Amino acid sequence: KNEVEQSPQNLTAQEGEFITINCSYSVGISALHWLQQHPGGGIVSLFMLSSGKKKHGRLIATINIQEKHSSLHITASHPRDSAVYICAVNRITGNQFYFGTGTSLTVIP
Amino acid sequence: ETGVTQSPTHLIKTRGQQVTLRCSSQSGHNTVSWYQQALGQGPQFIFQYYREEENGRGNFPPRFSGLQFPNYSSELNVNALELDDSALYLCASSLGPGGGTEAFFGQGTRLTVV
Repeated sequence: KNEVEQSPQNLTAQEGEFITINCSYSVGISALHWLQQHPGGGIVSLFMLSSGKKKHGRLIATINIQEKHSSLHITASHPRDSAVYICAVNRITGNQFYFGTGTSLTVIP
Repeated sequence: ETGVTQSPTHLIKTRGQQVTLRCSSQSGHNTVSWYQQALGQGPQFIFQYYREEENGRGNFPPRFSGLQFPNYSSELNVNALELDDSALYLCASSLGPGGGTEAFFGQGTRLTVV
């Protein structure tokens, strides 16, 4: 079983819809990251969370440390939001990221 | 846009050859981590360099080796390339080796082994 699980694996939405991507993890962490990867491209860091909630434009990320769960929300989705969204954690011990398998989002005009 | 750049962006090599991939770190960062991302999978940790020393290694054979320079840029070397080494290779630059620090990723190097 992976340390980091994401759902859904694939998501198709109409432009303007509110989108939620979920991430659950099973280990103690020092931080959780939400990352965005466009096809064939590198990774862009969207958020780093260790508690609470962060907002950047139309993106909102929340984390519940007790429940070992985080969500990424996209409000008023747009076709340019189409990408793979990856949840990654830094464990309390160790020095690497552990990645979820990603959620592939397609926003249709 | 981050200051982490990887070169080359794309590369085709023949099985058995050797390859060197390069990564510049974000200004002020002293740690570089390398990841391999096979098609359709999440990135897998190869190793991390902190202040020019290897500081952790994933489950990769010794033919994957690395180096970090005094300016904290880094190289990933792969010897005796195999077809399964075809992947996107990502580097991540961070302020320190532990967790809880913001990391910046490069755009990746797409390696194809034929």
